[in-house]
Amino acid sequence: AQTVTQSQPEMSVQEAETVTLSCTYDTSESDYYLFWYKQPPSRQMILVIRQEAYKQQNATENRFSVNFQKAAKSFSLKISDSQLGDAAMYFCAYRLSGNTPLVFGKGTRLSVIA
Amino acid sequence: DTGVSQNPRHKITKRGQNVTFRCDPISEHNRLYWYRQTLGQGPEFLTYFQNEAQLEKSRLLSDRFSAERPKGSFSTLEIQRTEQGDSAMYLCASSSPQGAKNIQYFGAGTRLSVL
Repeated sequence: AQTVTQSQPEMSVQEAETVTLSCTYDTSESDYYLFWYKQPPSRQMILVIRQEAYKQQNATENRFSVNFQKAAKSFSLKISDSQLGDAAMYFCAYRLSGNTPLVFGKGTRLSVIA
Repeated sequence: DTGVSQNPRHKITKRGQNVTFRCDPISEHNRLYWYRQTLGQGPEFLTYFQNEAQLEKSRLLSDRFSAERPKGSFSTLEIQRTEQGDSAMYLCASSSPQGAKNIQYFGAGTRLSVL
């Protein structure tokens, strides 16, 4: 069974600084997708960034980028120039190809200090 | 696009009662997913539909849980004889293979409290 592990229950970062959230996963499949979702307090989960396993190039979305290490099964999220609005729970998620259900990690709570 | 809508947002019930939640997916999204999220945990998959067909059910979905998606539009999740362990946030998501990169879009969830 596929599993996703987020080893940092909580992280904090100073406003305008950079923070990296860790994620590892376990799978025997070669074709899959990885995601980072953000869940602000009492608000719905939104997609931050997505990575296809067959792509070697790391995905980037504005201030958000990933470090995808397929052999190590590692998928970390880097947030640059952190903003107060980045404070939230961040979930790493995995799924196989074919629009199958997501497997989530337990999440990392990110606090941004002004 | 109005997004994924879930009702009610909050539900408080007494142990042993039945409850039903509703999810309206993004229009024309043919896949609909239900997840459960307990405090301090990530969402866990319960079941999903492609159109009106229920394709997969998790072992988490005991026989007290039932989900339907008549006509392939909205979906309902019913819990019979609720137990305190059912207290959680129930999340719904939808996706379309023709949509942007097969992304699952989530609703705001229904928070269930069983007293």
